Amino acid sequence: GQQLNQSPQSMFIQEGEDVSMNCTSSSIFNTWLWYKQDPGEGPVLLIALYKAGELTSNGRLTAQFGITRKDSFLNISASIPSDVGIYFCAGQNSSNTGKLIFGQGTTLQVKP
Amino acid sequence: EPEVTQTPSHQVTQMGQEVILRCVPISNHLYFYWYRQILGQKVEFLVSFYNNEISEKSEIFDDQFSVERPDGSNFTLKIRSTKLEDSAMYFCASSEMYRVHGYTFGSGTRLTVV
Repeated sequence: GQQLNQSPQSMFIQEGEDVSMNCTSSSIFNTWLWYKQDPGEGPVLLIALYKAGELTSNGRLTAQFGITRKDSFLNISASIPSDVGIYFCAGQNSSNTGKLIFGQGTTLQVKP
Repeated sequence: EPEVTQTPSHQVTQMGQEVILRCVPISNHLYFYWYRQILGQKVEFLVSFYNNEISEKSEIFDDQFSVERPDGSNFTLKIRSTKLEDSAMYFCASSEMYRVHGYTFGSGTRLTVV
């Protein structure tokens, strides 16, 4: 089945540093999403990307939909302690069922 | 902000017992989903539901699983005879359309099978 490869698996950074994580796939996706998950909670949508090449920002977060439609990255600038959590990429293909395929997640820890 | 509501937040059940996990999707949403997340792993798609029928299901969603929209507001996931490996967080989600616009997850039900 389709898989998303997300990297890095974990990151431990100093407050104020910038962070970058990415997802790649062997398959084309029509939509890329980035979610954050706090412990014991459901995924919360950060950014949605709908067109190849699209670059979208949400505050300190910036994400891009790769031109090949097989990859996406998420950048977090000037990290703060509340950025701690697990970040997941997710892709939706041409299926009309709404199914999302998730990456394995990037665990982010921020040292104050 | 509209929410997807899931109950209970935590369910402990004996192996072999039936469980029903409940969800109230966002009221104007038409597509409903269940996902599963085994502890420490990624979120996995189980099933999507539209117009009172399953539109897609994964290989995880075998004969032990079923979904139902018994009334205009609830969306349920039933596991007929639970196994130890069914222990996981189960997330309900809903969306306005098959595309991801407005795709919202609930906070999940932690199912523990003992």
